[in-house]
Amino acid sequence: DAGVIQSPRHEVTEMGQEVTLRCKPISGHNSLFWYRQTMMRGLELLIYFNNNVPIDDSGMPEDRFSAKMPNASFSTLKIQPSEPRDSAVYFCASSLRDTHSYEQYFGPGTRLTVT
Amino acid sequence: LAKTTQPISMDSYEGQEVNITCSHNNIATNDYITWYQQFPSQGPRFIIQGYKTKVTNEVASLFIPADRKSSTLSLPRVSLSDTAVYYCLVGPNSGYSTLTFGKGTMLLVSP
Repeated sequence: DAGVIQSPRHEVTEMGQEVTLRCKPISGHNSLFWYRQTMMRGLELLIYFNNNVPIDDSGMPEDRFSAKMPNASFSTLKIQPSEPRDSAVYFCASSLRDTHSYEQYFGPGTRLTVT
Repeated sequence: LAKTTQPISMDSYEGQEVNITCSHNNIATNDYITWYQQFPSQGPRFIIQGYKTKVTNEVASLFIPADRKSSTLSLPRVSLSDTAVYYCLVGPNSGYSTLTFGKGTMLLVSP
């Protein structure tokens, strides 16, 4: 099993540009999570999908952020327009929600730098 | 969601047993206790989860007293590679609930 796959691993962009982060969850998992991690704020949950449907997007900072999950094997997190304060590591995680476990499998993350 | 309190950092030496305690005074009846480990430049990794008493796996043990207002993650005979941030999370294991990661405990293992 390849685990959760994220791309790109690193992204450097200029303020105002559109950024798209991609995630492929573990096959068979029915829940997908997007997190953001910074030194100041720690690890924050941005949005959570269950069976491809967004369940909780209360963590999405503002309208500049949007996330989609068109099918069970792919999700995107888009920032448009990007700002320097969006610089962070973005993690995608997946889990099998049917089990009695909070075991989420995290991807390697995308380190985003907005200049 | 129940708030958790854990030490910001801990130091240990190779071969020692490390116990990290987490306080969660307002834990609810249906809340589980979950611990994650995060190495630098990696995503968090699930370590162990429990509801009461003691849970043990190949990596760690989790001790939960009867009142469940705290829990202790025990790492036997740590090595340098156990240097990481350890997160204690508390939350209901049902429905569409999610967990909130706090600041965690930075464990530094020295030779």
